[in-house]
Amino acid sequence: KNEVEQSPQNLTAQEGEFITINCSYSVGISALHWLQQHPGGGIVSLFMLSSGKKKHGRLIATINIQEKHSSLHITASHPRDSAVYICAVRFRAAGNKLTFGGGTRVLVKP
Amino acid sequence: GAVVSQHPSRVICKSGTSVKIECRSLDFQATTMFWYRQFPKQSLMLMATSNEGSKATYEQGVEKDKFLINHASLTLSTLTVTSAHPEDSSFYICSARDLVQGEFRGYTFGSGTRLTVV
Repeated sequence: KNEVEQSPQNLTAQEGEFITINCSYSVGISALHWLQQHPGGGIVSLFMLSSGKKKHGRLIATINIQEKHSSLHITASHPRDSAVYICAVRFRAAGNKLTFGGGTRVLVKP
Repeated sequence: GAVVSQHPSRVICKSGTSVKIECRSLDFQATTMFWYRQFPKQSLMLMATSNEGSKATYEQGVEKDKFLINHASLTLSTLTVTSAHPEDSSFYICSARDLVQGEFRGYTFGSGTRLTVV
């Protein structure tokens, strides 16, 4: 069964703290996506990964294909990072469809 | 980067009326558009996949006569909620595959439409 699990569901951090969000999936994938959903609802694609590690500004995403696990890290967190972060996976058997994790609601306090 | 423009951002309509939501790809050709629905504090639920020039593929449990999807051009896909009822109130968002010269670069999402049926 194609499943995606994210943890934690909610996370509160103080400004400046290092944040890690985890994502596990069940079977082989074509790619894994990390998305950011702002309070207004808009969604921004942060990363698309099929192996290794990617970095963009204060955001780092890693994936371990053998362990079927990915992490999203936010370094030096800032209140503007407060959002819902969603892991979405393209399973090999599902073509172009995305399967979404439940999301992690991040609140960064000043 | 690739941009998908979604309109309207918010709409309130009376029960029984129809509402059309548009998604336009502004700087790329979206051969495939995905339509999602999201209830409060829940994840996105895929409703249907539309391909330019052909009929949309609906997910199980989604009424195709209720949620009409048209993808008549490479830059425009529309979702029409027909005979809307209060239970159709939700957040609807589209997403397109960003393909440039055959290279898949990811998914670009619209800004979403919050539909309230009264």
